[in-house]
Amino acid sequence: AQKVTQAQTEISVVEKEDVTLDCVYETRDTTYYLFWYKQPPSGELVFLIRRNSFDEQNEISGRYSWNFQKSTSSFNFTITASQVVDSAVYFCALSEATGGFKTIFGAGTRLFVKA
Amino acid sequence: DAGVTQSPTHLIKTRGQQVTLRCSPKSGHDTVSWYQQALGQGPQFIFQYYEEEERQRGNFPDRFSGHQFPNYSSELNVNALLLGDSALYLCASSFPGKYGYTFGSGTRLTVV
Repeated sequence: AQKVTQAQTEISVVEKEDVTLDCVYETRDTTYYLFWYKQPPSGELVFLIRRNSFDEQNEISGRYSWNFQKSTSSFNFTITASQVVDSAVYFCALSEATGGFKTIFGAGTRLFVKA
Repeated sequence: DAGVTQSPTHLIKTRGQQVTLRCSPKSGHDTVSWYQQALGQGPQFIFQYYEEEERQRGNFPDRFSGHQFPNYSSELNVNALLLGDSALYLCASSFPGKYGYTFGSGTRLTVV
């Protein structure tokens, strides 16, 4: 069975601090996809990144970076030099190849960035 | 280029009533998925439609049904509404066989 755990319910930081959002997943599949989405107060889920299970290379996109470690089943997300506009709920999600096209989401981490 | 559009944005219904939510996928996308997001929780998969057929379904009762039209737009119907059906309903579209969605802003349903 697939499962995504985001242990951090809420995180509060001051602007310009770095912050890491944790994500641990469970799957029996060898082929799967991991995602991060951002949900601002408007409600729309914004796609941030997709990684497949065969690509453990870390990725950096501007102030965002992702660390994928299959050995610990983790896919953590770091925001460098956080900004007030980063305040949102962030979701980690998992899709298994044998699970069809269903995507399972974690419970989310609410990030507050104070000015 | 329009993304995923959902209507209405907000809706208030009474217990026992029926509701229909609508979704137009992003241009070029032909697969539509529906999710229910209760307050403070992550989205829960309801079902997915492709080629006007329900392709996969999550753990939701038969009160939840859907439809996809030839133009790829979709409807989510919920019968015999319960208070627990109050949630944000999100529609997401994608290319077939592609992992990763484009989401709409959702319909917030309140059942009183």
